[in-house]
Amino acid sequence: EVQLVESGGGLVQPGRSLRLSCAASGFTFDDYAMHWVRQAPGKGLEWVSGISWNSGSIGYADSVKGRFTISRDNAKNSLYLQMNSLRAEDTALYYCAKGSIAAPRGAFDIWGQGTMVTVSS
Amino acid sequence: QSALTQPASVSGSPGQSITISCTGTSSDVGGYNYVSWYQQHPGKAPKLMIYDVSNRPSGVSNRFSGSKSGNTASLTISGLQAEDEADYYCSSYTSSSTLFYVFGTGTKVTVL
Repeated sequence: EVQLVESGGGLVQPGRSLRLSCAASGFTFDDYAMHWVRQAPGKGLEWVSGISWNSGSIGYADSVKGRFTISRDNAKNSLYLQMNSLRAEDTALYYCAKGSIAAPRGAFDIWGQGTMVTVSS
Repeated sequence: QSALTQPASVSGSPGQSITISCTGTSSDVGGYNYVSWYQQHPGKAPKLMIYDVSNRPSGVSNRFSGSKSGNTASLTISGLQAEDEADYYCSSYTSSSTLFYVFGTGTKVTVL
């Protein structure tokens, strides 16, 4: 069964850091791009960051550029999101999503259940 | 980079057809055939319904279809069913700097 399981969310104070992880199973992880998509409470979807199969192509939303860093470990079938200098507006459910092709251009064909990040003092 | 524009809500009776529009620019929807559509039920993760403008993943009902004209993509649901009531989001690849994707504002579909 193809599966993505996120972890690492929680309550954090503004300005602090948090690292999200996504464990993939059921498919050949290093054949596909991977992404983080978030959804603030009661709001729509926002693409956060994406990474190609070999980490050669990486992109970020303007709202997180310079604060968040995406990475992957193909040997561990895992995707990560290092979030620094967190702000209240980063509060959201963070989804890990599998790209449909190796490059970060295709659709998001598999989604995890998400991990909640709450930034508050 | 602005979000793609979708109508806030669309409604229809069971059996009817509805269409949801998704308007962008020549830098996203109009420039690439990498438009996809997602269905999201309350409290659930999004589900891919259409990819590359008009392709349906295996297992998605053929009542769902996609198309594109210029800078506007569309999702049509035919033979509307109660289970289709959900939020729908479009997404497009974009050539804007290091930003890869942009999502639509979302549309709430109500089955009357």
